[in-house]
Amino acid sequence: QKEVEQNSGPLSVPEGAIASLNCTYSDRVSQSFFWYRQYSGKSPELIMSIYSNGDKEDGRFTAQLNKASQYVSLLIRDSQPSDSATYLCAVNRGGNQFYFGTGTSLTVIP
Amino acid sequence: NAGVMQNPRHLVRRRGQEARLRCSPMKGHSHVYWYRQLPEEGLKFMVYLQKENIIDESGMPKERFSAEFPKEGPSILRIQQVVRGDSAAYFCASSPPLASDTQYFGPGTRLTVL
Repeated sequence: QKEVEQNSGPLSVPEGAIASLNCTYSDRVSQSFFWYRQYSGKSPELIMSIYSNGDKEDGRFTAQLNKASQYVSLLIRDSQPSDSATYLCAVNRGGNQFYFGTGTSLTVIP
Repeated sequence: NAGVMQNPRHLVRRRGQEARLRCSPMKGHSHVYWYRQLPEEGLKFMVYLQKENIIDESGMPKERFSAEFPKEGPSILRIQQVVRGDSAAYFCASSPPLASDTQYFGPGTRLTVL
């Protein structure tokens, strides 16, 4: 079983819609959770971090964490074509290692 | 404040040669991570270093790969006797001393082994 699982997509949404990206993790002791955006051929860019159950909002982005279900999600409101990228979920168990999912490819259609 | 810098951005080596990848962390950052990303795969942790210390190298292949972060100068990931399977994007990330779970990634080095 992989440490972090994401649906690879591709996920397509029309411009202005809400994009919903999901991630599950296997280790219950995981403590911190991250969403990165990676454009093709570029490096990952940190979008959000979340540490406790519930929602965390930053602009058009909302991260949701449910530790009981071992589930993290990212909602992107009012999706823009510039949001088209691969979104990586990452998990830290409190040590030095970060575990990344394989990413979900998002395409926002104008 | 410059971001994380990596060089070279692209590196081509023939099988059996050595590859040296360099990473300069952001100013004030004392933690460096190296990751490898293969096509259609996620980022795989390789090694975590602080100045002059390897903290965790559990993700490094046991042979041919080594890493260092000297007191002066960039962190170096060294791959000896490269093979075609080493072809990948290698990313370095750095984090500040009191927020080691917040990582900032460099642009990566794309290694191609012929």
